[in-house]
Amino acid sequence: KAGVTQTPRYLIKTRGQQVTLSCSPISGHRSVSWYQQTPGQGLQFLFEYFSETQRNKGNFPGRFSGRQFSNSRSEMNVSTLELGDSALYLCASSLGGPISTDTQYFGPGTRLTVL
Amino acid sequence: AQTVTQSQPEMSVQEAETVTLSCTYDTSESNYYLFWYKQPPSRQMILVIRQEAYKQQNATENRFSVNFQKAAKSFSLKISDSQLGDTAMYFCAFISNFGNEKLTFGTGTRLTIIP
Repeated sequence: KAGVTQTPRYLIKTRGQQVTLSCSPISGHRSVSWYQQTPGQGLQFLFEYFSETQRNKGNFPGRFSGRQFSNSRSEMNVSTLELGDSALYLCASSLGGPISTDTQYFGPGTRLTVL
Repeated sequence: AQTVTQSQPEMSVQEAETVTLSCTYDTSESNYYLFWYKQPPSRQMILVIRQEAYKQQNATENRFSVNFQKAAKSFSLKISDSQLGDTAMYFCAFISNFGNEKLTFGTGTRLTIIP
């Protein structure tokens, strides 16, 4: 079974631009979570989608948004990029469900650099 | 709010030796799951082992085992017969059993296996 895939793997943007990252979960997985990883803040939860609905949200500004499609693929968008948005963005998928703590499996990440 | 603490930023051990990574957590919930994830230099986050809090038996996966002390809120990872491929960042993570897919991570322990 193919793992979680993320595209693109690397991105370079300038301040003020916007960016869209994509995540394809493991086949059959319905929950997709997004995390930001930086040297200073570590791993922080952004949001989680299940059945095309945002089910959980972390403490990030509204510039960070996401969505999930009917095939469970997910995208996250960051608008008006700031230097501090430079990070590794990780996507994780799990089986999901109404009450679920299934194991999350991570993709390779997208390295975003904001200049 | 849940917190996860890893007090050992860096560790190193000779190949074939045994090493233990420490993790403590704080929660008021009684039902939850704990994980150890490994992130090698390639950056792909890989699940090492998972422990359900309601299970008293410590989880094991080949050379990896945990010492789960629920009363002490401690969850250490033991790696036996360490191999060069074990060199990585190791993250302890917590998730509650309330339909919440948000993983809370510790700050990580950088483990180096010395040939």
